[in-house]
Amino acid sequence: DTGVSQDPRHKITKRGQNVTFRCDPISEHNRLYWYRQTLGQGPEFLTYFQNEAQLEKSRLLSDRFSAERPKGSFSTLEIQRTEQGDSAMYLCASSITGKDGYTFGSGTRLTVV
Amino acid sequence: AQSVTQLDSQVPVFEEAPVELRCNYSSSVSVYLFWYVQYPNQGLQLLLKYLSGSTLVESINGFEAEFNKSQTSFHLRKPSVHISDTAEYFCAVSERNNDMRFGAGTRLTVKP
Repeated sequence: DTGVSQDPRHKITKRGQNVTFRCDPISEHNRLYWYRQTLGQGPEFLTYFQNEAQLEKSRLLSDRFSAERPKGSFSTLEIQRTEQGDSAMYLCASSITGKDGYTFGSGTRLTVV
Repeated sequence: AQSVTQLDSQVPVFEEAPVELRCNYSSSVSVYLFWYVQYPNQGLQLLLKYLSGSTLVESINGFEAEFNKSQTSFHLRKPSVHISDTAEYFCAVSERNNDMRFGAGTRLTVKP
């Protein structure tokens, strides 16, 4: 197992465009989390899944953001009508129970120009 | 909901000196506590965690943290730091079976 994979590593998009990121968790991990990290800040929680069920969403997750985990394996995070304020590192993490700690991917760096 | 405050945004120290990175949390229920480290241009890595039992937990590279329930703190310490410890350190809290919330981070810079 190669850990948590995120694709792409970098994405530059024009304001107003839609973007989609993918996360492949560790295969036996049934919990999957999305976080956003801006420069000089800690990761901010966005949403999490247990298997295919989305159990919690942050207020940060406006209606332009949507996340899916259709078969309880990989997950996608889509941002519609991107804004410059969406520029950040988007992190995915997975875990078995939560209390075992999370394994993070390397992130997708989004730049909105 | 749980929250974390890391009291120092930057901590510069000289090599072989001791260091303490401070973390306070807020929660109305029992919590799990974590420290993560982010080396330059790398992802977040779990350093150590407190779940229950002994309030002093240790990492494999010489860091330790002590859970203090009365002071709602989980400070990270190392008696003698190395240049290679230069990194961003994040404290995190999780209410049982819920998602994890992170502090803003402390940048540890070890100088020769």
